[in-house]
Amino acid sequence: NAGVTQTPKFRVLKTGQSMTLLCAQDMNHEYMYWYRQDPGMGLRLIHYSVGEGTTAKGEVPDGYNVSRLKKQNFLLGLESAAPSQTSVYFCASKLDHEQYFGPGTRLTVT
Amino acid sequence: AQSVTQLDSQVPVFEEAPVELRCNYSSSVSVYLFWYVQYPNQGLQLLLKYLSGSTLVKGINGFEAEFNKSQTSFHLRKPSVHISDTAEYFCAVSDQGGSEKLVFGKGTKLTVNP
Repeated sequence: NAGVTQTPKFRVLKTGQSMTLLCAQDMNHEYMYWYRQDPGMGLRLIHYSVGEGTTAKGEVPDGYNVSRLKKQNFLLGLESAAPSQTSVYFCASKLDHEQYFGPGTRLTVT
Repeated sequence: AQSVTQLDSQVPVFEEAPVELRCNYSSSVSVYLFWYVQYPNQGLQLLLKYLSGSTLVKGINGFEAEFNKSQTSFHLRKPSVHISDTAEYFCAVSDQGGSEKLVFGKGTKLTVNP
């Protein structure tokens, strides 16, 4: 099992560009989550999904969209990147009250 | 809504000394409680969790935590730390509903010095 994987690991964007972050899990988990981590802020929930075809907003959803077309994949999109979206993004999936985190994507928006 | 306060942003200790990382939470509903560890440039790894039952929870790497409902606390302890315990530690809570979204504290950076 690869667990939770994230693509890409690093990315630099210019303001206004768009991109999609991919999260994949091979554990057949129903629940998946996207968080962002900023220095001194801990992790904050962006969006989450309780199953294939479902998505819901978290604490900081503005500027992001998500899709869960397949159970194993959870995509996070930035339509028009802003410097405030410079962060480390973590994906997680959940089973039995425990969330399993991916290695993260470091995104810089200039 | 829940919130988590980690009372110390940085904790320096010497190797083989005991350590306590403090966590308080606020919630109007029953919660699950977690401690995660993050080593540099890595994702988060679960140290331990409290779901129900015994208030003293043992986790990996010799860590333990005690749930205190009256004080709404979930402090993390280790009797003797190693250099390899240097990392950032996050306390988190979730409600006991279906989505169990995690709310994290801001983290405590533990530095173990020789």
